[in-house]
Amino acid sequence: DTAVSQTPKYLVTQMGNDKSIKCEQNLGHDTMYWYKQDSKKFLKIMFSYNNKELIINETVPNRFSPKSPDKAHLNLHINSLELGDSAVYFCAAGAFLNTGELFFGEGSRLTVL
Amino acid sequence: AQSVSQHNHHVILSEAASLELGCNYSYGGTVNLFWYVQYPGQHLQLLLKYFSGDPLVKGIKGFEAEFIKSKFSFNLRKPSVQWSDTAEYFCAVHGSSNTGKLIFGQGTTLQVKP
Repeated sequence: DTAVSQTPKYLVTQMGNDKSIKCEQNLGHDTMYWYKQDSKKFLKIMFSYNNKELIINETVPNRFSPKSPDKAHLNLHINSLELGDSAVYFCAAGAFLNTGELFFGEGSRLTVL
Repeated sequence: AQSVSQHNHHVILSEAASLELGCNYSYGGTVNLFWYVQYPGQHLQLLLKYFSGDPLVKGIKGFEAEFIKSKFSFNLRKPSVQWSDTAEYFCAVHGSSNTGKLIFGQGTTLQVKP
């Protein structure tokens, strides 16, 4: 039973398209995150939602729009995809103002052609 | 600004060799410290964590790390590596005033030769 699950795991698309990645957690944590891992494996936080409220927004282009319909789901929608958006996107869950310990999904590898 | 620095970007060892991966952080307040591991093609998994107490913490698979507050360091060690330890290792820091933000180092690729 996967604690943090993301779909799709692989996504190949053309520049200019719009795509979404979905994330669901069954851990009962109140905070969810999106991290971006670039080609050099560097992990950078993008967004964080606590109980459906945006609490972290790390200077991400406004083509990226997270949406949290409830505290168990955090989706990432990307408009007008660019080559530089190619990366692995990880969803994570944790407790707000927690110790920092996060539980990660398996990642969604986005390739923009 | 809070930051994490991992000194070794790529480490190659033979099986049974000892491992030490360096991690230094920059933050003035209380921190929680983590090492995460990412096996090839997989997601990040927690290896070990330090919140308080004994600065020498033990994690899974024989890994341990020592928090040295005066040096702002949290180095990862293993006495004898195995081929299955080949992976990407990430040090991460959570500052006490950071509203849940976990900051990662740039990662160290460990390659263990059989």
